[in-house]
Amino acid sequence: DQQVKQNSPSLSVQEGRISILNCDYTNSMFDYFLWYKKYPAEGPTFLISISSIKDKNEDGRFTVFLNKSAKHLSLHIVPSQPGDSAVYFCAASAYGNKLVFGAGTILRVKS
Amino acid sequence: DGGITQSPKYLFRKEGQNVTLSCEQNLNHDAMYWYRQDPGQGLRLIYYSQIVNDFQKGDIAEGYSVSREKKESFPLTVTSAQKNPTAFYLCASSTGRLRTMNTEAFFGQGTRLTVV
Repeated sequence: DQQVKQNSPSLSVQEGRISILNCDYTNSMFDYFLWYKKYPAEGPTFLISISSIKDKNEDGRFTVFLNKSAKHLSLHIVPSQPGDSAVYFCAASAYGNKLVFGAGTILRVKS
Repeated sequence: DGGITQSPKYLFRKEGQNVTLSCEQNLNHDAMYWYRQDPGQGLRLIYYSQIVNDFQKGDIAEGYSVSREKKESFPLTVTSAQKNPTAFYLCASSTGRLRTMNTEAFFGQGTRLTVV
């Protein structure tokens, strides 16, 4: 049973435009959410996180939105740059315990 | 420099052999995790440990074993009981509970295990 779902396997965006990556979850106990970026044959690197007490968190070009009623979160990247091309993973945690990851979305930013 | 180190980067194993993947961190983190990545399947949790001398099974623990005798180290053994061990293995660590804003899990660079 996949508790964290990233339903779009890939996304292609033009440089300078907005990239929106989506994530849905089923476990209502999740109270902390993270986004990671990953290049092939490397470990994921942390991008941004959000606690369930908030609905938005911003860090530079990256903004994460959380809609608890819909059990949905999204990562916005504005403006998108070619260096943003990577696999993006959504992850969630309940009460500070194990991190559960989605399957990832491949983002390609075209110049 | 503080960080999390996995070794080796590439590992080849013959069928029927056990093999141990190393994971060491000097971040003074309490929690450590092992994940497996297969193409198109994201990261699946094998085992995790919130504190020394304690660990819990993740979603795909069968055929794997771990130990947590020291805070800095969380080795993963892939046993011959694991039917499809060829994969990319990732170790991670985090400070205590993942609840406070801007806490995160730090990942190592991974070990690519291939069964030959």
